[in-house]
Order: sequence, then C-alpha cells, then structure tokens
Amino acid sequence: DAGVTQSPTHLIKTRGQQVTLRCSPKSGHDTVSWYQQALGQGPQFIFQYYEEEERQRGNFPDRFSGHQFPNYSSELNVNALLLGDSALYLCASSLASGTRGQETQYFGPGTRLLVL
Amino acid sequence: AQTVTQSQPEMSVQEAETVTLSCTYDTSESDYYLFWYKQPPSRQMILVIRQEAYKQQNATENRFSVNFQKAAKSFSLKISDSQLGDAAMYFCAYRGNFGNEKLTFGTGTRLTIIP
Repeated sequence: DAGVTQSPTHLIKTRGQQVTLRCSPKSGHDTVSWYQQALGQGPQFIFQYYEEEERQRGNFPDRFSGHQFPNYSSELNVNALLLGDSALYLCASSLASGTRGQETQYFGPGTRLLVL
Repeated sequence: AQTVTQSQPEMSVQEAETVTLSCTYDTSESDYYLFWYKQPPSRQMILVIRQEAYKQQNATENRFSVNFQKAAKSFSLKISDSQLGDAAMYFCAYRGNFGNEKLTFGTGTRLTIIP
C-alpha cells in the first residue's frame, strides 16, 4: 500500500522565482492538504483540495496556489518567492469528510525549499 | 478560530520510564478530532494516536495512551516504557468537523530519551 509521496525532496530557488511542488496521495484517498512548516515551528495549513476544487484555505497570500488532478494528485505553486517562503512543505492525504473513522490525515516526507 | 497550545518545548525521560506530554486547545465546536503526531529527524510526520471528541473513552495504541478531558479542553499523551526510537518532536493537532477539516498544530514538544 503506497503511502503519500512528494517530489522533489529538496529544492533551491532564488527570490522572485516560481516553484511547483508535487504530491501523490495514499492509495484510496481523495483529499489533499498542504502545510508549510518553518524551522522550529508546527505546520501551518495552506489549503485543501477535494474533487479538484479548493475546499478550505488558510491565511496565505494569493502567491500560493494549487491544483488537484483527476487522479487526486496535487501541485502546490508559489510565485514571486520570498526569503520567508523557505520551509518544509508537507502534503497530507485523507478520505473525504462524512466517513466516520476516516478523518485522519497521513503525511508525506515533505519538500525542503530554500529561497536564496 | 481554534488554537492548540503545547507548553513544554522540551522533555526528557529515562529509557523504559513513562513520560506525559501536555496539550490544551480552544474551540467552540462540539464535535472534533484530536491527534498526536511524531516527527523524527527524518521529518516525516507520523500519526501516533487519534481521539474523537464524541467518544468518552481514552484512546490507546500499544505503549501510547491519551488523557482526554473535554470540559478542560486538555489532551495529554502518555508514553509508557519509553524507547530510544521514541525520540522526536511531538505535535498535538486539532481537526474540526465537516467544513473545518484543516489541522491546527501546536508548537511541538521535543522529547529526548536518555539511555
């Protein structure tokens, strides 16, 4: 049973550039959530995708956008990178709400983004 | 908005002993879910245990158990017979009900196991 996978594992960009991070959910899951984890902090929710639509969004600027594909995989795009965007980006997958006992989010290994 | 507070930035325990990590949260919802996740240096966030707020019985998973006090909005994690592999950052997380399914995390507790 394949778990959540993310690519790439590490990435170095310069200020002003754009980046795309990718996530494949755990087999059987249809919902993908993205989190940003700054060094020494807990993860912060960016947004969640279900049925190819953004269902919920955290307090992040419009520079952060996403997409979900028909196979449930997802991308996180960040435009006009700032130094403060340097962080670990975590993807988590789950089953759609309404299924008792299936609310748990399972995380991928993350993508470490460094903005210089 | 929900908040999650972990007041212990660091904890240490002797191998084979028991340790309790604290977590409090604030919410106006009546139905929600609470989780403890473990993040070792490899950085993969691993689910340790989960608790549904509508269940009064405390969850247990092998050496891990929780003390869920709904009225006090407290959700502590007890690790029994601590092992070297338990060393990690531990995060408490809150998930609301339908329509509010994001996870809200605390700031974490770094657990060190002393051989």
